[in-house]
Amino acid sequence: GESVGLHLPTLSVQEGDNSIINCAYSNSASDYFIWYKQESGKGPQFIIDIRSNMDKRQGQRVTVLLNKTVKHLSLQIAATQPGDSAVYFCAENIEYGNKLVFGAGTILRVKS
Amino acid sequence: EADIYQTPRYLVIGTGKKITLECSQTMGHDKMYWYQQDPGMELHLIHYSYGVNSTEKGDLSSESTVSRIRTEHFPLTLESARPSHTSQYLCASSSLGGTANEKLFFGSGTQLSVL
Repeated sequence: GESVGLHLPTLSVQEGDNSIINCAYSNSASDYFIWYKQESGKGPQFIIDIRSNMDKRQGQRVTVLLNKTVKHLSLQIAATQPGDSAVYFCAENIEYGNKLVFGAGTILRVKS
Repeated sequence: EADIYQTPRYLVIGTGKKITLECSQTMGHDKMYWYQQDPGMELHLIHYSYGVNSTEKGDLSSESTVSRIRTEHFPLTLESARPSHTSQYLCASSSLGGTANEKLFFGSGTQLSVL
């Protein structure tokens, strides 16, 4: 069901280490997934997307992995930097061409 | 780079006042959205629009209303603000494509505080 009022989990990593942020999605019929980054006081910004016919996609320092069997999505950030500190949301496209549904989000804190 | 603008950036207002949050985009996108987000919490869809004269309610019940008279403009109105409306309101847009591609572009948000 909808997790209204859920406080976000936090991931703390050391600068230079790799980060892995996980997301469980709800609908096996979802066919498109996006990761967003939201810095304090700003709107979410697009990071990377993946379609359901793929299981991996790479961008600049980021990789998204999709496991449809267990309905799991992950975002890997290589060589994490202080500027990566933000809240990260995954989103799934539930109905074809209709609307995105956002996951609960994870706070990433990078320690220098 | 996305061009979607929200005003005001911050708004502090008394209970019972009528307010309108503005959102405009210059990308010619058909679809526009309003999300509500409390600090450290998830985004909840409260309204969306497929295009001019189209408005739909989102997943989270809201006392706000929206209108879409022009493609680029999607204002949100609260007829009588209450403290429970205190939140961040995020506007977003996307283009309607032939494939399931719903990449949203977000504005910077309006932080509303109702006293």
